[in-house]
Amino acid sequence: KAGVTQTPRYLIKTRGQQVTLSCSPISGHRSVSWYQQTPGQGLQFLFEYFSETQRNKGNFPGRFSGRQFSNSRSEMNVSTLELGDSALYLCASSTGGNTEAFFGQGTRLTVV
Amino acid sequence: AQSVSQHNHHVILSEAASLELGCNYSYGGTVNLFWYVQYPGQHLQLLLKYFSGDPLVKGIKGFEAEFIKSKFSFNLRKPSVQWSDTAEYFCAVNSPNTGNQFYFGTGTSLTVIP
Repeated sequence: KAGVTQTPRYLIKTRGQQVTLSCSPISGHRSVSWYQQTPGQGLQFLFEYFSETQRNKGNFPGRFSGRQFSNSRSEMNVSTLELGDSALYLCASSTGGNTEAFFGQGTRLTVV
Repeated sequence: AQSVSQHNHHVILSEAASLELGCNYSYGGTVNLFWYVQYPGQHLQLLLKYFSGDPLVKGIKGFEAEFIKSKFSFNLRKPSVQWSDTAEYFCAVNSPNTGNQFYFGTGTSLTVIP
């Protein structure tokens, strides 16, 4: 079956702009989590959505937000971009129960 | 909050050498434990997982890990590495009570020399 799909794969934005990233989970999966991966900090949890509701939230400023649609697809938005937001953003999907997560290839965001 | 420590940041081995990567976590409750691998240019893939039962778990590609509850550890092992094992390895934990919020270690970069 198809894996987790993230679009776009690469993005270049200017400081102060906003950006929206998209994630389509594996069919049948209702949980989508987002992570920021940087060389210095590793993978850090942003938030998780389950059945269109935010179930968990990490320690990121309010500029980072997300939502989930009825078909389980999720979007992540970052407003007022800063240089430090440059990172690989990973999406992970799971059934939402006590199980492993499956990761997409990520969106590489560069803020200039 | 949970945290995960991977003490080996960079490991270089020759083919056929044995591998052990350390992983320690801090959390007093029940945890699920995972090892993920990220090959160059590819997405994170699950190597193995532990939820309960036998503390020695076997994963794909000959990898195994042992959960030692008293040491809060979940070390990854492979008896004989191959050049194709060159990748970044991440240890991760989550709690059955917190959905799919995973805590990751900072990763170990493994280079296997042919």
